[in-house]
Amino acid sequence: ETGVTQTPRHLVMGMTNKKSLKCEQHLGHNAMYWYKQSAKKPLELMFVYNFKEQTENNSVPSRFSPECPNSSHLFLHLHTLQPEDSALYLCASSQLLGNTEAFFGQGTRLTVV
Amino acid sequence: AQKVTQAQTEISVVEKEDVTLDCVYETRDTTYYLFWYKQPPSGELVFLIRRNSFDEQNEISGRYSWNFQKSTSSFNFTITASQVVDSAVYFCALSENNNAGNMLTFGGGTRLMVKP
Repeated sequence: ETGVTQTPRHLVMGMTNKKSLKCEQHLGHNAMYWYKQSAKKPLELMFVYNFKEQTENNSVPSRFSPECPNSSHLFLHLHTLQPEDSALYLCASSQLLGNTEAFFGQGTRLTVV
Repeated sequence: AQKVTQAQTEISVVEKEDVTLDCVYETRDTTYYLFWYKQPPSGELVFLIRRNSFDEQNEISGRYSWNFQKSTSSFNFTITASQVVDSAVYFCALSENNNAGNMLTFGGGTRLMVKP
C-alpha cells in the first residue's frame, strides 16, 4: 500500500469513448502528478497540480483533460483517444519541494482500440 | 534541459551475484536531486533512495548501495547478493530545485532479471 490509489487498474476503450481515470492520495501531500509510461518512451510527465492549481502541462494533447477538485483527488478525462495513447498512466503525489520523493500509484493500463 | 541516461536496457544475472545499474545525468542546475525507483510487475513505482546534489556521501541500505559521483555525473546503484525478488525495472530520475513540485525526469529504465 503506497498511499496512492488509482482506479481502474485496467481500461479498454474505443476511440470515440469518453472515460476518466481516478487517483486518490492519503498522504497529506499538496502536489499531484500524471505520468505516462508507453512501451517505446521513458516515463514522461504530463501534468502537475499544486494545491489544486495546474502548474505544468507538458505539451499534452487536449484529448487528455485533467481535473483536480482538491489536494487529495486527481482525475484524467479521456476523449477521442488514438491507439498510440495506449500506455500505463501513473499518478503520483508529493510535497511541493523538489527534494522530497514522489509516491506513485499502481497505474491504469489503458488500451485504445 | 535535464536528461537521464540508463545505458543498460536489460541485465540478467544468477541469484547471489552482485549487479550494478548505471545512471548518468545532465543538468544545468547547481542544486538538484537524484532518485532511484523500482517497478515490479505490478506496475507501481517504489521509491528506493533520494540524493541531494550537495551530498556526495555514498549510502548503503542492506543489500543496496549507491555511488554518487558528481565529477562524472553518475549515480550508480549496486545490489549485492541479488535475489529473484529483485527482478524488476529500475529507474533513475532527476528533479530540479524548486517549490513547484517534484517534477521528475526519468531514464529509460533497466530491466533486471535475477535467475535462480
